[in-house]
This record gives sequence, structure tokens and C-alpha cells, in this order.
Amino acid sequence: EAQVTQNPRYLITVTGKKLTVTCSQNMNHEYMSWYRQDPGLGLRQIYYSMNVEVTDKGDVPEGYKVSRKEKRNFPLILESPSPNQTSLYFCASSLFPPQGNQPQHFGDGTRLSIL
Amino acid sequence: QQPVQSPQAVILREGEDAVINCSSSKALYSVHWYRQKHGEAPVFLMILLKGGEQKGHDKISASFNEKKQQSSLYLTASQLSYSGTYFCGTDGGAQKLVFGQGTRLTINP
Repeated sequence: EAQVTQNPRYLITVTGKKLTVTCSQNMNHEYMSWYRQDPGLGLRQIYYSMNVEVTDKGDVPEGYKVSRKEKRNFPLILESPSPNQTSLYFCASSLFPPQGNQPQHFGDGTRLSIL
Repeated sequence: QQPVQSPQAVILREGEDAVINCSSSKALYSVHWYRQKHGEAPVFLMILLKGGEQKGHDKISASFNEKKQQSSLYLTASQLSYSGTYFCGTDGGAQKLVFGQGTRLTINP
């Protein structure tokens, strides 16, 4: 089954404790992206990746890191999490960049609470 | 720059029609529409490319007016299953998709 898989689905942690949210897709997609969703603000892009070893900042990259060492994986790293990073996070992928006719396929989301 | 959606929320009875608008301050090449049920991932509905086209499937359709830099999503004879939050996404340059703040649609029996 074609899917984007995120882990963990839920995480409660404390300020400053490094964490990684994994994202994996099995559709051989070139483009992958991370979004955070906060009430009233919609989906805001954190980082995106055009291909292996090619990543770039989205609209809200502060406090986050990403890597794309393999085509299928795009982990989101919070080196020193803070309470303002408490949010619902989505990973998404598409065959090519979203301009044009390429729909985004979203993972089920990771609800992150930082105390 | 984030597109602006209107209305922010709408409540309908089953069978009524709804229109959700998405406006951008910049020229657009494409507009994406997604629906998100509470606690679930956004699900792709349709993409419209510049050219003023209109697309649709079932009783959900959309139009794209590139001169006005806006798109509208039309839900006809709404069903309970249409409830959710609808997002438009517009090309933000540099290979990015920028989403609006969402429109919450509630369909009551």
C-alpha cells in the first residue's frame, strides 16, 4: 500500500531533550516536506527536500533540522525542543515538487507536546 | 505569502450548497485543494492549473481565475461526509506549497 509513515504518532517530552520524528515513504517520491499545524494558522512548511542531499528551508525553519540521506526517509530533528514547538506535525511527499499537477500525500501526523 | 480563505467557518444542513474562496496577493500557477477530517491527515481533492479551468468530481468542483488570483471550491448538495476543514494551497515559489488558514465546514443532518 502506498503510504507515508510517521513515527511516533504521539510524544510528550521536556524542554531541551533532543528528539527525532521519522518519516518514510514507499512511493519513490522525489519531493518530501514537513509541515506544522497550529489552530488558526493552517499548515506551515518547515523544511522541504527536492531529492537526496537537497534540502531547503520552508517558512518556519527555526529550531528544526532535517536530513535526506536516502530517497525514502526524511527525518525531522529538534535539537533542543522548546514549548513553542508543541504542535501537530505532518510529513508529506509527492512525485515532483508541488507546482503543477503533483498532489501531496500526507502521513498520519505526529502530535508533539513539549513541557 | 499565505493565501486567504473565506469564510473561516460555515455551518450547513445536509443538502445545502457551499462555496469556499481562496485568494492570493501574488500571481498563481496552480491551486491545490485538500480536506482534513478532525484528527486525520489532509486528503487531496484536486489541483487546478492556470487557464481558468474548472474541475470536479462527484458534487465537489472548483474554479481558478488566474487574473483575479483566486480559486473557489463548490460543494453541491452537501453530505455529512463533507464535514471537515478545507485548505487551499498555492505555489509559493522556490518549489514550495503555501496553505491558507483553512475553512471549517460543518454539515448537520
